Amino acid sequence: EAGVTQSPTHLIKTRGQQATLRCSPISGHTSVYWYQQALGLGLQFLLWYDEGEERNRGNFPPRFSGRQFPNYSSELNVNALELEDSALYLCASSLTSLSIYEQYFGPGTRLTVT
Amino acid sequence: KQEVTQIPAALSVPEGENLVLNCSFTDSAIYNLQWFRQDPGKGLTSLLLIQSSQREQTSGRLNASLDKSSGRSTLYIAASQPGDSATYLCAVKGGSNYKLTFGKGTLLTVNP
Repeated sequence: EAGVTQSPTHLIKTRGQQATLRCSPISGHTSVYWYQQALGLGLQFLLWYDEGEERNRGNFPPRFSGRQFPNYSSELNVNALELEDSALYLCASSLTSLSIYEQYFGPGTRLTVT
Repeated sequence: KQEVTQIPAALSVPEGENLVLNCSFTDSAIYNLQWFRQDPGKGLTSLLLIQSSQREQTSGRLNASLDKSSGRSTLYIAASQPGDSATYLCAVKGGSNYKLTFGKGTLLTVNP
């Protein structure tokens, strides 16, 4: 069974540009979570999508947005990139939104903003 | 607001040693707790998941315990190997959005 996949592996952008990151969950999983891992800040919750809808977001500005498609894959968009957006962005999926289910993580997308 | 703390921040041990990593959390109203391993620049590999009603979980040389009332979990690694070198992260799931709140991790180095 294929795990969570993310693309691209690396992304280099300049300040002010937009970045689009993609995530494909494990087959059958309907919930997708996005996390940011910035140097020195640890892993922080960004967004949660379930059944095609945004269910919750972390303490991030509106420049961070996304969506979930009918096949449950997800896209994270970061507009007006700032240098501090440089981080590893991790996507996780779980079977449903129920609390008991484990989250499985993808390999991440390394975003570098210059 | 949930806060997760991991102690120590870094640990260096000789091969073969048994070791314990500690995790504490401030809000005991959690659904479950996961231990992850992260290799440099890589994603997270889930090691163990403990539901809030459970006390411990075991997988191979790994054993994790959970004491929800005191807000503590430990990850025990038996007979450590150089391949165990990585950052180990503890995360708790709680709240209405089922998000994971992570600790900053323990960087483990096992020396041959």
